[in-house]
Amino acid sequence: QVQLVQSGAEVKKPGASVKVSCKAFGYTFTNYGISWVRQAPGQGLVWMGWISAYNGDTNFAQKLQGRVTMTTDTSTNTAYMELRSLRSDDTGVYYCARDPGFDFWGPGTTVTVSS
Amino acid sequence: DVVMTQSPLSLPVTLGQPASISCSSSQSLVHSDGNTYLKWFQQRPGQSPRRLIYKVSNRDSGVPDRFSGSGSGTDFTLKISRVEAEDVGIYYCMQGTHWPGTFGQGTKVEI
Repeated sequence: QVQLVQSGAEVKKPGASVKVSCKAFGYTFTNYGISWVRQAPGQGLVWMGWISAYNGDTNFAQKLQGRVTMTTDTSTNTAYMELRSLRSDDTGVYYCARDPGFDFWGPGTTVTVSS
Repeated sequence: DVVMTQSPLSLPVTLGQPASISCSSSQSLVHSDGNTYLKWFQQRPGQSPRRLIYKVSNRDSGVPDRFSGSGSGTDFTLKISRVEAEDVGIYYCMQGTHWPGTFGQGTKVEI
């Protein structure tokens, strides 16, 4: 069955970078894209960006332009999201979701940014 | 960006009674292909979001039939016909018609 498995929790200092992975199982990886969504503590869901697993095309939320990179490795069916120049307000849970549709989500990766 | 506005933001419910959440968008969600890409998600405490409804009214596999979605254009509704204890959580609408996709603020459903 379809499953998205994400990497473990991260603790980073302000100014550092974090790279979160999302490994896909149970479907043809290159037939879909992956969207990344983040959720600050006690807050709602915010779409961060999307990557096509077919050709690597990306679209990012304007607010994150220049700080985020999304990549895929089709040999391992894994998508990656890297966020640079971390700030305290980047603290939260980062989800990957199969797109189109947002029909399957990963369990989330908690990223804590603290000095 | 399209703004999605949900109401109410907090919804106290009684077990066995109906409940309804509204979602309105700042512009029409009818896509040029004729579809309306409006989804509803449930997020139980400590869990990932789970899609309940896609394209306004299509229920996902495994979603109880007490959940239903309706609406058109800019106004949409998620209804629970008879609330059960497992329905506690936060519900989000999301539009995928216009880039970037945007979520509503969430409606917290509590008994």
